[in-house]
Amino acid sequence: QVQLVQSGAEVKKPGSSVRVSCKASGGTINSSTVCWVRQAPGQGLEWMGRIIPLVDITSYAQKFQGRVTITLDKSTNTAYLELNSLTPEDTAVYYCAKGSEAKDWGQGTLVTVTS
Amino acid sequence: DIQMTQSPSTLSASVGDRVTITCRASQRISYWLAWYQQKPGKAPNLLIYKASSLESGVPSRFSGNGFGTEFTLTIDSLQPDDFATYYCQQYSDKSYTFGQGTKLDIK
Repeated sequence: QVQLVQSGAEVKKPGSSVRVSCKASGGTINSSTVCWVRQAPGQGLEWMGRIIPLVDITSYAQKFQGRVTITLDKSTNTAYLELNSLTPEDTAVYYCAKGSEAKDWGQGTLVTVTS
Repeated sequence: DIQMTQSPSTLSASVGDRVTITCRASQRISYWLAWYQQKPGKAPNLLIYKASSLESGVPSRFSGNGFGTEFTLTIDSLQPDDFATYYCQQYSDKSYTFGQGTKLDIK
């Protein structure tokens, strides 16, 4: 089973960007699809986007189109989520997960957007 | 994006009960549906994939059914550890989506 370890909590100003990392151990990050999911406080899960590693194809939820980028660094076995033009509504825990059927999850990264 | 509608939003039940959660897709998704369990402060845990396949290590009291647009998750003989929030997720389209969740609490 692949372990996914995410970067630490972030506090950001409105209008700024955040990059969250997700490092795989015990397996390769590019063995299957990597997805990013977020969960605002007290709310449900929200799928943000995915990358298919072998072909580096990304797809994003319509809500985040133009504001989100998912990338992979195969040399460091790490996936990244970058979200731009942050607003307080982006305050959430951000999770990475492997597989279209997400069997392996990171521990989550809290991103707080506040002025 | 395909919309996923779960019902009910909340469900109260007792240990030993049998419960069923329903998930409806806004368009046909074949069997490309997963169910997850989430407990407070934790990442979701995969229970069922391809609508009815039980993930390794998940107790057999969990079962999934459905095809096309209508899907169910059934839990037989509820155990104390099962009180949590459950989500369906479609992965048929290039853009995946979750249902809004069903919170299962103790009656």
